[in-house]
This record gives sequence, structure tokens and C-alpha cells, in this order.
Amino acid sequence: GQSLEQPSEVTAVEGAIVQINCTYQTSGFYGLSWYQQHDGGAPTFLSYNGLDGLEETGRFSSFLSRSDSYGYLLLQELQMKDSASYFCAVSLDSSYKLIFGSGTRLLVRP
Amino acid sequence: ETGVTQTPRHLVMGMTNKKSLKCEQHLGHNAMYWYKQSAKKPLELMFVYNFKEQTENNSVPSRFSPECPNSSHLFLHLHTLQPEDSALYLCASSQGTEAFFGQGTRLTVV
Repeated sequence: GQSLEQPSEVTAVEGAIVQINCTYQTSGFYGLSWYQQHDGGAPTFLSYNGLDGLEETGRFSSFLSRSDSYGYLLLQELQMKDSASYFCAVSLDSSYKLIFGSGTRLLVRP
Repeated sequence: ETGVTQTPRHLVMGMTNKKSLKCEQHLGHNAMYWYKQSAKKPLELMFVYNFKEQTENNSVPSRFSPECPNSSHLFLHLHTLQPEDSALYLCASSQGTEAFFGQGTRLTVV
């Protein structure tokens, strides 16, 4: 079976930095993605890591270690609008179909 | 607006009804997907279509029947559903590492 583990909830204050971890055990691995979903909204793509290392996109960064089957999403300079659920997802093969984790609900407090 | 449109946004149906969910994308993507999102559970991959051909059926009960008449449209036909099938049904399309999701259909089975 496929397994992706991430914390269920994280709380942080505005302006802070938060890291959301994801560990995975899957039958195949092509890359790790992160998606953001606000309540009532569609998941939207944040980042993709196909190779080990850090990818930076503005306030968001994502890291992958294939040897550790581990990745994380780093959110800096948190804003209230960052309150949402964040999902890690594994692409099992080159078709990029995604298997998702259960999501981490991030609450940003003033 | 992500370029993927789903209708209807909300649907209430009885267990003996037959209904269909519709998904449309004009992003030129070759792959389309149906996902089920239930409360406190990961997004569950249901079906995958590549170039209009179904490439994956993730052990989905036969009361869910997908149809992909062309690369822009995807349907999910529903019949004799159970109350536990109540969930948010998300359609997505992709070509590469990024998936684009529709807003989903909130389905309630009574």
C-alpha cells in the first residue's frame, strides 16, 4: 500500500516560520509535490521536488531527501491568508498521477 | 479559476437515483483524474485517464462509472450510492508535474 504521513495540525503566529514535514512509503517514487487548499476551495499547486535539495518560490520553500523518504514545506513570513490545509503528494511514476497525504491544517494567529 | 470546471457544485441524491458529475478542462492537458475527498481522510485517487483511455481504476465500486468522451471532458456517473459515498469529488488535469483541480462537487447521499 501507499503511505504518506504528515502532522494533522500546526499553529503559528503571523510573521513566523513554520515547517510541515512529510514522510512517505510508496511503491514507486518520481517526485514530491505540495498543494494548498483553503476551506471550500480547490487544491492549488505550490511546489514540486524531483531531485534532492531545496526549491524556493517566494515565501515558500520545499525540500526533498529521497534516501530518507522525507520532505518538508517551509513557509516564511507567515500571513493570515496562509491559514489553510497543506497536502504533500507523491508522483508514483512518469505519468505524475498523485497519491496524497491526509493534509496538515495550518492556523496562523495574529 | 484554475481552468478546470466542475458541475454541479452541490448535489443531493437519494440512494436509488442516477446522476452524473461533469468536468471540463481547456488547458490542453492529456491526463484527467477523479479524486474523492472525505472529512479527515487523504484525497483518494479514483480514476485516471490518459489520452481518453482509462489507465487506472483504484478499486472503486462499480456504482461509480467514469466516462471520458474526449480529452477535454470527464464524467462520473453515479447510481445506487450509499450514504458513505457523501464527499467532495474533485476533478483534476495535468500534463507534467502540476495538477490543476476543479472546485469540486459536494455530494450528499440521503
